[in-house]
Amino acid sequence: GAVVSQHPSWVICKSGTSVKIECRSLDFQATTMFWYRQFPKQSLMLMATSNEGSKATYEQGVEKDKFLINHASLTLSTLTVTSAHPEDSSFYICSARGTGLFYEQYFGPGTRLTVT
Amino acid sequence: GQQLNQSPQSMFIQEGEDVSMNCTSSSIFNTWLWYKQDPGEGPVLLIALYKAGELTSNGRLTAQFGITRKDSFLNISASIPSDVGIYFCAGQVTSGSRLTFGEGTQLTVNP
Repeated sequence: GAVVSQHPSWVICKSGTSVKIECRSLDFQATTMFWYRQFPKQSLMLMATSNEGSKATYEQGVEKDKFLINHASLTLSTLTVTSAHPEDSSFYICSARGTGLFYEQYFGPGTRLTVT
Repeated sequence: GQQLNQSPQSMFIQEGEDVSMNCTSSSIFNTWLWYKQDPGEGPVLLIALYKAGELTSNGRLTAQFGITRKDSFLNISASIPSDVGIYFCAGQVTSGSRLTFGEGTQLTVNP
């Protein structure tokens, strides 16, 4: 139980383009989803928290117009990196939290984004 | 903001040895979690602790929630090569609130 998937697992895009990353909870309903960013040899940095059907809450310093988050259903959240630049290259990881037995945060496998 | 100090930063051990790592905080957390992250993957939840003083095992892993609510440790017994990875502690002030992560402990196990 508590399986979270992400797609794609890696993506390379050109500067100025937008990239969408999907996060799905496969065997439970995720009332809350979280998006993290991780640089090499560093810990996870929370970017934003989203509840199903509501606008995401962004952490200080995270540009909401650049990192668009949609949590349209109880099993799917998307992160769109708009007008990507090389400094946006990173490992993006989502986590999902449900209710009851699934109340902790369960992480997806991550998406490696490289902007050229 | 809240910070978790995790130590050691890295460990190099021989297969079969026991391992211990810990996290400390200047403020109280009411939930402690331990995750393992393999290279290129997301963290996997190993153990969750909900009560001060609680000692919980998951196979060869044992974790304890410090009585002061400001620390936790993780022990791995009889390490094997697949234990290699980065171990993160994480704390929550209240159940369901945001996670505060430690900086991670990189574990290397030599066969």
